[in-house]
Amino acid sequence: QVQLEQSGPALVNPSQTLSVTCAISGDSVSSLTSGWNWIRQSPSRGLEWLGRTYYRSKWNNDFALSKSRMSINSDTSKNQVSLHLTSVTPEDTAVYYCARGVTAPSGTYWYGMDVWGQGTTVTVSS
Amino acid sequence: DIVMSQSPLSLPVTPGEPASISCKSSQSLRHRDAYNYLDWYVQKPGKSPQLLIYLGSTRASGVPDRFSGSGSGTDFTLKISRVEAEDVGIYFCMQALQTPRTFGQGTKVEI
Repeated sequence: QVQLEQSGPALVNPSQTLSVTCAISGDSVSSLTSGWNWIRQSPSRGLEWLGRTYYRSKWNNDFALSKSRMSINSDTSKNQVSLHLTSVTPEDTAVYYCARGVTAPSGTYWYGMDVWGQGTTVTVSS
Repeated sequence: DIVMSQSPLSLPVTPGEPASISCKSSQSLRHRDAYNYLDWYVQKPGKSPQLLIYLGSTRASGVPDRFSGSGSGTDFTLKISRVEAEDVGIYFCMQALQTPRTFGQGTKVEI
């Protein structure tokens, strides 16, 4: 059974860096059929996909936000992924989720985002 | 980016009755492999979203067969054949054809 356990601070000061970690159990962060997505949810913007990382002979990343503000790191020794969002403003206040996306080994075919973390509520405020 | 639009945004339902949610995309979600890359998720109160349907019409593991997805191209529908009290929540469609993934606004289903 795959589980995603999130951790991170509940409060971040404006202009600082928001970091949330997603610890993976029951799957491997470098699985050839899984991708690790970050999504956030706020009343003003609803569900917003932020980006993903996945391993297919090398690490690949896709981002929705400006690359200069966002990064996703993978740690194979700890089997976890981390989201880092720099220069945060109150508009980055949201619940942050990690979620596994599953594809066929070929990279095509899609099985949905079938496992989600419990969510991390982050408030950006001084 | 692909824009996803759902209707209605609020859906009062009666247990035992059917319910239907529409999702439209700003461009076709039909992949060259002929599948439609459209998911449905439900977020129950206080919980994380959970997968209901992928590729437009395939139920995820453990999803009751009263849920069905249909449609192709830009128009999709989620149907609940007979609503149960536990189906209360917010239903989202999401396109998985390209990045960035994008979600509909959500449809709040309440009894």
